[in-house]
Amino acid sequence: EAGVAQSPRYKIIEKRQSVAFWCNPISGHATLYWYQQILGQGPKLLIQFQNNGVVDDSQLPKDRFSAERLKGVDSTLKIQPAKLEDSAVYLCASTPSPMSSYEQYFGPGTRLTVT
Amino acid sequence: AQSVTQLGSHVSVSEGALVLLRCNYSSSVPPYLFWYVQYPNQGLQLLLKYTTGATLVKGINGFEAEFKKSETSFHLTKPSAHMSDAAEYFCAVSEGGGSYIPTFGRGTSLIVHP
Repeated sequence: EAGVAQSPRYKIIEKRQSVAFWCNPISGHATLYWYQQILGQGPKLLIQFQNNGVVDDSQLPKDRFSAERLKGVDSTLKIQPAKLEDSAVYLCASTPSPMSSYEQYFGPGTRLTVT
Repeated sequence: AQSVTQLGSHVSVSEGALVLLRCNYSSSVPPYLFWYVQYPNQGLQLLLKYTTGATLVKGINGFEAEFKKSETSFHLTKPSAHMSDAAEYFCAVSEGGGSYIPTFGRGTSLIVHP
């Protein structure tokens, strides 16, 4: 089966610019997650979707970050405006359901550099 | 609350030597424990997991880990390192069952010398 797809793989922007990342989960996976992985740290959950609804966005900096999963399949994460500290790898993951959240399937990530 | 501590941000071994990556966890309930591996420019891949039952779990690529409740540890080992094992390894803990999203450690970079 095809894995989690993400694009772009790399992005370089200047601070205060906007950027968007796209994720397509494994087919049939109802639950989708976005993580932020800062260099030297483990992934930190930003937001969790169940189908097209938000389950947990408590760690999402809502003043600049937004995410949507309108049709319950692919998802977009946006940063507007970007700050230097947003430089990180943004990982998307999926699981068949929330009850299997502990075993996640990760995409390759998007490496964002903010200059 | 759950947390994970990985001892050593970098571990260096020679090819053929024993690999030991250390992980200690904190959890208020019986934990589920995981090791993930991340190769350069790739996402995380599940290496092995402990949920219940046998405390010694075997994973892919010859890795194994042992859950020691008394020591709150879940160290990852491999008898003989291969050059292809060079990667970042993350220990993770999930509390109470499948519905809980894992908390990841900071990662340990495994360096394998010829």
